[in-house]
Amino acid sequence: DTGVSQDPRHKITKRGQNVTFRCDPISEHNRLYWYRQTLGQGPEFLTYFQNEAQLEKSRLLSDRFSAERPKGSFSTLEIQRTEQGDSAMYLCASSSSGTGGVETQYFGPGTRLLVL
Amino acid sequence: AQSVSQHNHHVILSEAASLELGCNYSYGGTVNLFWYVQYPGQHLQLLLKYFSGDPLVKGIKGFEAEFIKSKFSFNLRKPSVQWSDTAEYFCAVNPSGAGSYQLTFGKGTKLSVIP
Repeated sequence: DTGVSQDPRHKITKRGQNVTFRCDPISEHNRLYWYRQTLGQGPEFLTYFQNEAQLEKSRLLSDRFSAERPKGSFSTLEIQRTEQGDSAMYLCASSSSGTGGVETQYFGPGTRLLVL
Repeated sequence: AQSVSQHNHHVILSEAASLELGCNYSYGGTVNLFWYVQYPGQHLQLLLKYFSGDPLVKGIKGFEAEFIKSKFSFNLRKPSVQWSDTAEYFCAVNPSGAGSYQLTFGKGTKLSVIP
């Protein structure tokens, strides 16, 4: 396994612009998660996919946020009309169901977003 | 909804000192419990997890944690820390068997080990 990868690793944008992040999970992991982490806080759950179906969404995921996983492999997270409060580290994780016991979520390196 | 409290924001220890990091959770049902570690410049990695059975769980790098159901606690311990244990440690929980897989994290504890 090559691990969870995320692209880009850093993104600086101006307020009001749209941004899109990509996550490639560990191959054959059917579950994929997005979290957001701000300074001094632990990761906060945003949304989760099982294969291509988005099954859970947090109240943190406002209408400006949209996530997709069209073929059940990689996922994208788009933020429209960015605001300064969106500045954070966006983390992706993946896991595999059916492994027995409790699933382990494997995290990627994150995309750090700065909105000016 | 569940929540996690980590009482220590920053812990500073000398090498060879013993470590105990506190974690308490709030949830009315059965939970799965995790400790993740983030070394400087690296991504979150799983240290250990508990879901059933022996409440004393052993993880990687000599870490262990004890689940005390009556206290809603899952404290992380290591008998003798090394400089390489300098990192941020996060406790996390998710409801067991509830069909929800989201992890709820604490705010983290930063550990600095002085050589």
